Amino acid sequence: SQQGEEDPQALSIQEGENATMNCSYKTSINNLQWYRQNSGRGLVHLILIRSNEREKHSGRLRVTLDTSKKSSSLLITASRAADTASYFCATARSQGGKLIFGQGTELSVKP
Amino acid sequence: NAGVTQTPKFQVLKTGQSMTLQCAQDMNHEYMSWYRQDPGMGLRLIHYSVGAGITDQGEVPNGYNVSRSTTEDFPLRLLSAAPSQTSVYFCASSRDRATGELFFGEGSRLTVL
Repeated sequence: SQQGEEDPQALSIQEGENATMNCSYKTSINNLQWYRQNSGRGLVHLILIRSNEREKHSGRLRVTLDTSKKSSSLLITASRAADTASYFCATARSQGGKLIFGQGTELSVKP
Repeated sequence: NAGVTQTPKFQVLKTGQSMTLQCAQDMNHEYMSWYRQDPGMGLRLIHYSVGAGITDQGEVPNGYNVSRSTTEDFPLRLLSAAPSQTSVYFCASSRDRATGELFFGEGSRLTVL
């Protein structure tokens, strides 16, 4: 069963705009991770946020985690055409933790 | 460093045939795993291993076998291929157990006719 659910399923924006993707999950977690997948390629790890953290930054990426709402968001600021990809959240459950992936958000950034 | 290497990249099988997808990593990671990716389903965990000689089932293990005789290699065997196993398969490894950052291979696209 899927643990994380991303919203929206697809997002289309113009270069320079910000992109926000959301992830909701069902059970308590050890950490939550975001990955990017370019078309036809493997997934690449972007950022990991632990359950006791509320916000984390990496370059143009900002991730927030709200454990009371069981949700996370990924913000990409000043997007570029090269950010066009699918973005997945993955949750590591507190009990018997393995990484479980959501269905992903497909981001299209138009030049 | 090559990272995680998967072979073959593409494969077409007939129903009932068997085959092995190879996965090798050169990062000395203890944890390795196999996922399948289907449209609208995200990635689903098939099998995983926390070290040489140790394997366990994930969410969708039926129809697949794995073994882990060395730290580097984690092959995935399809015993009798079915059209429902048409998918893209990803191998991934992690230094920090099952809940750490995963390093993925480039994928193996399998079609079962």
